[in-house]
Amino acid sequence: NAGVTQTPKFRVLKTGQSMTLLCAQDMNHEYMYWYRQDPGMGLRLIHYSVGEGTTAKGEVPDGYNVSRLKKQNFLLGLESAAPSQTSVYFCASSYGEEAREQFFGPGTRLTVL
Amino acid sequence: AQSVAQPEDQVNVAEGNPLTVKCTYSVSGNPYLFWYVQYPNRGLQFLLKYITGDNLVKGSYGFEAEFNKSQTSFHLKKPSALVSDSALYFCADSTLTFGKGTMLLVSP
Repeated sequence: NAGVTQTPKFRVLKTGQSMTLLCAQDMNHEYMYWYRQDPGMGLRLIHYSVGEGTTAKGEVPDGYNVSRLKKQNFLLGLESAAPSQTSVYFCASSYGEEAREQFFGPGTRLTVL
Repeated sequence: AQSVAQPEDQVNVAEGNPLTVKCTYSVSGNPYLFWYVQYPNRGLQFLLKYITGDNLVKGSYGFEAEFNKSQTSFHLKKPSALVSDSALYFCADSTLTFGKGTMLLVSP
């Protein structure tokens, strides 16, 4: 049982390049989330999904897109990376009810030059 | 306005002493509240949660948290701190809002 995994662990991009971050979970969770963590800012929700084929915007969605084609995977895309998107990105998943805790992946450290 | 606040950026405590990491909330109604811990270069790990019932919630690694509705607080506590408890602690609510985090440093 791997839990929540994220690919890649590290990435360096140049401004304007695109990339996709992959999140996978093997716990059959309905809900999945993408957060970014910046110093002094805590975690901020980018996008989330309440089930296969559905996505919704979080607190800071601009510059990002997501897709949930399979229940176990949640992809985060950057179409044209900007230095302001330099951050550590965390994926999480949970069962559907709002009282359920989230399980987090190990994170992806992204640097945009 | 942020619905979860952690007023301290850092808490320092000596090993063996009790520790408290503070969290206040502003979610209306009956809140669901959570504490997570993050060790260096790792993802967040769930510690404990409050849903309803007993105001004192017990969690992993000897941590507990006290829910206080009149003070809208959910402070994390441990009777005797360990050096290995040194980490970043986050409070969160069910609206997917996290506090900014509090760094706990336990000195030997």
